[in-house]
Amino acid sequence: DSGVTQTPKHLITATGQRVTLRCSPRSGDLSVYWYQQSLDQGLQFLIQYYNGEERAKGNILERFSAQQFPDLHSELNLSSLELGDSALYFCASSGDTEQFFGPGTRLTVL
Amino acid sequence: AQSVTQLDSQVPVFEEAPVELRCNYSSSVSVYLFWYVQYPNQGLQLLLKYLSGSTLVESINGFEAEFNKSQTSFHLRKPSVHISDTAEYFCAVSGGPGTYKYIFGTGTRLKVLA
Repeated sequence: DSGVTQTPKHLITATGQRVTLRCSPRSGDLSVYWYQQSLDQGLQFLIQYYNGEERAKGNILERFSAQQFPDLHSELNLSSLELGDSALYFCASSGDTEQFFGPGTRLTVL
Repeated sequence: AQSVTQLDSQVPVFEEAPVELRCNYSSSVSVYLFWYVQYPNQGLQLLLKYLSGSTLVESINGFEAEFNKSQTSFHLRKPSVHISDTAEYFCAVSGGPGTYKYIFGTGTRLKVLA
């Protein structure tokens, strides 16, 4: 158990819809990262937050947004969903050295 | 800018044979180096890490990796693999303490054959 929790584990929705994925980092970790993993694109870094502030942006679509709240949990919002957004979405948190990954949310867009 | 290259996308190997998964990185600063393992339908788990000190680091399940600064490599090795080692392995680099930026390789799928 990495100490990083993600909800929900699975999400099935339709094209055009909007969903919210939630992540709670390890106790004491200020940094949260979001990744998308699909069969054709591999592991893609989306966005990073540090203590509530956006720190770095990767290959995140404009239809996607995220935030980190004062209690340090983070949410990833995906809107106007397309079939190609079906993927595993991972959250990770870090302290001073390595990242710790959550179990992921599997999103299926039908 | 930092980057990580894992040249082998798939590595098939027979059980009890040795294996090496290659990782090369580029960075202009001191780095931390990591290997993560991802079993099917699971998240990434840290396998081992190099922060400083001894260039040879080991994991609890028999893997080891050696930091080679001159060749900018951090290859992962195991002298004898098991079926249960079948997984995807990711090499990653960060810029050291306080940088909070991690770059991942594209992953190597290790398939151990009976």
